[in-house]
Amino acid sequence: NAGVTQTPKFQVLKTGQSMTLQCAQDMNHNSMYWYRQDPGMGLRLIYYSASEGTTDKGEVPNGYNVSRLNKREFSLRLESAAPSQTSVYFCASSEPGQGNEQFFGPGTRLTVL
Amino acid sequence: DAKTTQPPSMDCAEGRAANLPCNHSTISGNEYVYWYRQIHSQGPQYIIHGLKNNETNEMASLIITEDRKSSTLILPHATLRDTAVYYCIVRARGGTGFQKLVFGTGTRLLVSP
Repeated sequence: NAGVTQTPKFQVLKTGQSMTLQCAQDMNHNSMYWYRQDPGMGLRLIYYSASEGTTDKGEVPNGYNVSRLNKREFSLRLESAAPSQTSVYFCASSEPGQGNEQFFGPGTRLTVL
Repeated sequence: DAKTTQPPSMDCAEGRAANLPCNHSTISGNEYVYWYRQIHSQGPQYIIHGLKNNETNEMASLIITEDRKSSTLILPHATLRDTAVYYCIVRARGGTGFQKLVFGTGTRLLVSP
């Protein structure tokens, strides 16, 4: 099992460019999450998907959109990147009712110039 | 969700026990205490969780006070690889809903030779 995988690992964008961060999990989890982590800070929830077909806003959703493509995949899109979106992005998954411990991917380091 | 308070940093000598405290004085009856850690540049990793009884697994022990207002994560024989930021999170568990985790800034544990 690969667990939670994220692509790309690193990305540099110019202000105004768009991109999609990909996340996939092979643990058959129903819930998936996107977090961002700024230097010296804890993680903040951007969007989550409690189950396939549903998505909801977290603490800091502005400037982002998400798609729960299927049970395995949950993508995060930046339509018009801004320097304030420079951060490390983590995807996670969990299974409600099975302890619900979240499993995290390795992260995507995004720099917006 | 109940808020948690942790010291910003702690030091520990390799081979000694690391005792990481967490205060959660506003915890409610159905809320669990979760611990995660984040090794530099990696995604957070689940360590342990508990409700009111002490818990132990292969990674650590969790001691929760009788009034549940504080807890201590114990790494019995700290190694250099345990150097990380440790997050204490209080969250309701169970049911069919998703589980949002609210990460604070955690405790930065430095294990030295």
